[in-house]
Formats: sequence, C-alpha cells, structure tokens
Amino acid sequence: GIQVEQSPPDLILQEGANSTLRCNFSDSVNNLQWFHQNPWGQLINLFYIPSGTKQNGRLSATTVATERYSLLYISSSQTTDSGVYFCAVKNSGGSNYKLTFGKGTLLTVNP
Amino acid sequence: DVKVTQSSRYLVKRTGEKVFLECVQDMDHENMFWYRQDPGLGLRLIYFSYDVKMKEKGDIPEGYSVSREKKERFSLILESASTNQTSMYLCASNPRPGLQHNEQFFGPGTRLTVL
Repeated sequence: GIQVEQSPPDLILQEGANSTLRCNFSDSVNNLQWFHQNPWGQLINLFYIPSGTKQNGRLSATTVATERYSLLYISSSQTTDSGVYFCAVKNSGGSNYKLTFGKGTLLTVNP
Repeated sequence: DVKVTQSSRYLVKRTGEKVFLECVQDMDHENMFWYRQDPGLGLRLIYFSYDVKMKEKGDIPEGYSVSREKKERFSLILESASTNQTSMYLCASNPRPGLQHNEQFFGPGTRLTVL
C-alpha cells in the first residue's frame, strides 16, 4: 500500500517562530489532508489539498503531486498551535475509501 | 459545518463486556469509518461503511463488528472487550467517492479503557 512519511517527528519552537512540516508519499494521490490533533484528541481539519497551494490565516499548505510531497507552513506560531499534525492521503489507484495517515509531527510551542 | 458526534468521550469497561460505540453525522455522507489510535502505531482503520447495511473490513477488524442501519449512524461493537482494545476510537465520515471534494471529517473521539 501507499506509504506516508512525515518529518520532522518532533519540533520545538519559541512563540513567534515559523516552521515547515513535510509529508512525503509513495504513490499518486487524489486526496491529501492536513489535520491538527488537539490536546483532547480531536482531529481538526486544516486543509484539503490534493494539489496546489492554500492559505488560511497563519497557516498555508502546498502539495506538489508530481513530486509526491506536501508542505504545511505555520507562521508566527502560538502556544495554541501545539499538538500533533497529521498528513493523510488517498491513493488514486487504490481503495475509493481509505485514508492512509503518516505518524505525525509533534509540535511544541513554548511561550 | 459538518458535525460528527460520538456517544461518549470517556468509557471504562470490564474484560468480557459487550461494548457499543456510537457515531452520528449530520451531513448526509455516504461513507463512515471507525479508526483506532495507539501510541507508536498511529491511526488504523477498523471498518468502514459506504452505504446503509454495507460494510467492509479495514486493516484491523479482528475483535470488532459494525452496524449501519441508518445513513447517519455507524456503530462499532466490541463483542467481548479485552484489555488490548484499550485505545482511542475515532469516527469519521465523508461524501461518496467521485465527488470533487472528498474531505473526511472526524468526531471528537472516545477514550476506551478495558480493565
């Protein structure tokens, strides 16, 4: 099946710093999503971005499908950005239903 | 906004009990999913359903069953709970495959402890 690798696995920042999280995938995809898991465990949708670039406030994401990677940018980080960020993809040639998740990046933003 | 709700945030059960986890979505989505999340193992798909009364096994269906009698509701059943089923359970839904925007949405999760 498709493989999803996220880097870095852990990231510690001071408040106000910028960061870039990366997601590499091993096959063509027709769905790619970024999630933030909050301290209570809920997965919050950040971006639905199988290709192209999107921005939402301090967050933006870019997916280069032909090169099989996606990047999540966080600017001017805040303590509330702390948590685990997941990338999840759906293989174009695979099941119509299944999302495959990376293992996540644990972000800690210190005041 | 899409809303996916789960019946309990925290649940404690004893070994051998039958456990029901309920999930409801309000966006008329065809597809619904049950995942479990464990440290070091990430999110793994247990079962999914693509229509009422239709279901397919995911990656780790052993020890679980599901029920989808109505479009908006998807239940996960642990027939005889065991300690290795202690986990965070996450329900999700998305529209029918083939739609241009096939975004998946998650509920708040249920932390199940089996003693």
